[in-house]
Amino acid sequence: DVKVTQSSRYLVKRTGEKVFLECVQDMDHENMFWYRQDPGLGLRLIYFSYDVKMKEKGDIPEGYSVSREKKERFSLILESASTNQTSMYLCASSPLMIEQLNTEAFFGQGTRLTVV
Amino acid sequence: GDSVTQMEGPVTLSEEAFLTINCTYTATGYPSLFWYVQYPGEGLQLLLKATKADDKGSNKGFEATYRKETTSFHLEKGSVQVSDSAVYFCALADYKLSFGAGTTVTVRA
Repeated sequence: DVKVTQSSRYLVKRTGEKVFLECVQDMDHENMFWYRQDPGLGLRLIYFSYDVKMKEKGDIPEGYSVSREKKERFSLILESASTNQTSMYLCASSPLMIEQLNTEAFFGQGTRLTVV
Repeated sequence: GDSVTQMEGPVTLSEEAFLTINCTYTATGYPSLFWYVQYPGEGLQLLLKATKADDKGSNKGFEATYRKETTSFHLEKGSVQVSDSAVYFCALADYKLSFGAGTTVTVRA
């Protein structure tokens, strides 16, 4: 089974802290994604990566950065956490060219981050 | 850019009722389309998918047909059960994966 593992289920951080959310996948997928999920807004794409050291901005990248030093690991970084970044964060992975292959994206369980 | 517009909820139904959740999309290319489901307390999982126009995806009694002419991918189930209570997300994949806002469905016994 494909496994996408997020390092924490719940996190509480203080305003201004630097926060790292880690995601690891075990299926040698090229693509990895970070989303935030908020009620009424669905999943919004923050950043994605299609290869090691490559990254692309999604729809809401402001206030976030990412790192992909190894193929299996994709980190989301909140440089200076703010209360409006309180949310559920979801990581996903998929093979490359998902639109051309009969495949899908696989999701982690999510990290619920609270910034106080 | 590419986007997905999904019927707003919440939707509340009785068991054995017919369920439809509308989904339309905007895309420049030829995306694949998906429905994902999130059961209470669980992560997102794929419900069904379609990779080209006129394809029908189906799973667990749910169906959706990729309609290029109407840019739609509506989800349907003929007779829902309490266990179908969940949040349903329509999604589009081209070079990235974009989601709709999600529809919360509650099925009452």
